[in-house]
Amino acid sequence: NAGVTQTPKFRILKIGQSMTLQCTQDMNHNYMYWYRQDPGMGLKLIYYSVGAGITDKGEVPNGYNVSRSTTEDFPLRLELAAPSQTSVYFCASSYTVGYTEAFFGQGTRLTVV
Amino acid sequence: AQKITQTQPGMFVQEKEAVTLDCTYDTSDQSYGLFWYKQPSSGEMIFLIYQGSYDEQNATEGRYSLNFQKARKSANLVISASQLGDSAMYFCAMRSGYSTLTFGKGTMLLVSP
Repeated sequence: NAGVTQTPKFRILKIGQSMTLQCTQDMNHNYMYWYRQDPGMGLKLIYYSVGAGITDKGEVPNGYNVSRSTTEDFPLRLELAAPSQTSVYFCASSYTVGYTEAFFGQGTRLTVV
Repeated sequence: AQKITQTQPGMFVQEKEAVTLDCTYDTSDQSYGLFWYKQPSSGEMIFLIYQGSYDEQNATEGRYSLNFQKARKSANLVISASQLGDSAMYFCAMRSGYSTLTFGKGTMLLVSP
């Protein structure tokens, strides 16, 4: 039972480079989320999706893009990486907007230099 | 809008003692869910316990219980008989209405022998 799988686990980017963080879940959850966690802080929502083909902005969407072509996958794209995007990124999923817990991936530690 | 406040940046407790981690929340919705997550030094997010706004009983999961005081809008986590492995960051989170999961800034718990 894989749950939520994120790749890569670690990445160093140079300023201005782009990359895609991959996220896939095998629980048939319709809700998926991307959060970032800065050192010593809580999680801030970047983007979320309520189902295939539907995405919406969260609290801190600038500098990121997402797509949801399938129920399983929810990649996060960073365009023109900046040092302010140095963070730990978590992908999560849950059944519905109802009050079930969200399951998290292991996180991606991204450093932009 | 919903908001979670955790006022304790850090807490210290001796092994085998009980500890309470504070969480207050703000929402105008009548229906909502409250969650606690544990984040050990390894970085993963581990779901601990859930409380629904209409649940009459306080939630319990093993050594974890949630002290839910609806009128005061508080959802404190109580860990009984602390263990060294409980040392971690603890996050309170909530979801209300059709919103997504919002996190507090977290409380670092250190358990000493």
